[in-house]
Amino acid sequence: GAVVSQHPSRVICKSGTSVKIECRSLDFQATTMFWYRQFPKQSLMLMATSNEGSKATYEQGVEKDKFLINHASLTLSTLTVTSAHPEDSSFYICSPTGHRGGLYGYTFGSGTRLTVV
Amino acid sequence: DAKTTQPPSMDCAEGRAANLPCNHSTISGNEYVYWYRQIHSQGPQYIIHGLKNNETNEMASLIITEDRKSSTLILPHATLRDTAVYYCIVSVTGANSKLTFGKGITLSVRP
Repeated sequence: GAVVSQHPSRVICKSGTSVKIECRSLDFQATTMFWYRQFPKQSLMLMATSNEGSKATYEQGVEKDKFLINHASLTLSTLTVTSAHPEDSSFYICSPTGHRGGLYGYTFGSGTRLTVV
Repeated sequence: DAKTTQPPSMDCAEGRAANLPCNHSTISGNEYVYWYRQIHSQGPQYIIHGLKNNETNEMASLIITEDRKSSTLILPHATLRDTAVYYCIVSVTGANSKLTFGKGITLSVRP
């Protein structure tokens, strides 16, 4: 169980454009979605937490108007990086979780490598 | 801020046991100890977690001290594919409980 699908795995976009990243929970209902990003040689940093049907809660220093999170269903959440700039180049990782939270361990997507040129 | 401290790196020989230590001296009574690993350019992979009893699964064993202030992840027979960054994290298990990643320990398995 706990199968997560994250797409795309890799994307290159031009500065100023927007990029959408999808995260699907294939065999469980993701009541909560965590979005992380990871810069080279650094650890994962939580960006935001979203509950299905509610607005996301963003961590300090993360611009909510730049990183749009949609969690409209229990199996799909999207992260849109709007007006991307080179400094947004990073590895983005989703982590959907069900109502039991981490009781059975958290699952992560395979990540999306975003390069903004 | 991460609530755990781990050495930055260690290595072990292929086929030998890898013992990865973690200190979590400020752990609360309802916090679990989780271990994840991240192979380069992949998402973190769940390994094991426990509250106070030692745990074992097909991947590893988790030994938690009686006072719960430290733990050790044991990979019984390390292979080259176990080379990764290993993260020790403490957290409660509620639906909105988030994992805070520290720097982890880089395990290098040598042939």
